[in-house]
Amino acid sequence: EQQVQQSPASLVLQEAENAELQCSFSIFTNQVQWFYQRPGGRLVSLLYNPSGTKQSGRLTSTTVIKERRSSLHISSSQITDSGTYLCAMDRPFYGSSGNKLIFGIGTLLSVKP
Amino acid sequence: EAAVTQSPRNKVAVTGGKVTLSCNQTNNHNNMYWYRQDTGHGLRLIHYSYGAGSTEKGDIPDGYKASRPSQENFSLILELATPSQTSVYFCASGEGQTGDYEQYFGPGTRLTVL
Repeated sequence: EQQVQQSPASLVLQEAENAELQCSFSIFTNQVQWFYQRPGGRLVSLLYNPSGTKQSGRLTSTTVIKERRSSLHISSSQITDSGTYLCAMDRPFYGSSGNKLIFGIGTLLSVKP
Repeated sequence: EAAVTQSPRNKVAVTGGKVTLSCNQTNNHNNMYWYRQDTGHGLRLIHYSYGAGSTEKGDIPDGYKASRPSQENFSLILELATPSQTSVYFCASGEGQTGDYEQYFGPGTRLTVL
């Protein structure tokens, strides 16, 4: 069972349109991290959001922990925003300190001119 | 931002051969991780480490070993590589202190086992 569900699976936008990406979790988590990835490329951390709303430039993440969901809003999309957006939830290691990330499969965003 | 590097970036290995993937981080983070990424599965945790000398099994450790000889370096070892281990491997580091679990990723290693 996929513990982190992302929607939509893919999204095509015209340049300058806004995007709303969704992430939901089947189990409780304390924190959510959003990443950006080009095909076969490095994961770039976009936003690290324990709860509430967090903004970085054109990106806004809203996480509601008790409802087990998070969203990523991209405003005024640009062609260079094209790629895969991954959501990951933080989970503690049982019986020891530290954490791990459990990832969704991602949303593939394509921004057209 | 944390600097995490991986080597090699691409590797072709033969079935039954030994493969070592290396990771280095320069921000003195306590925790390091190895993930693999496969189509339809997302990233999955293979091994992790709390600090020099420690290694722990993640969610899919079978067929893999890990080594953390120093704070900066964390290796993933495939003693007998199999085609099912063809994947993209990512190393990550993080402070791991309570309230700060953000992880920073390396560029990935594409491994093909023939």
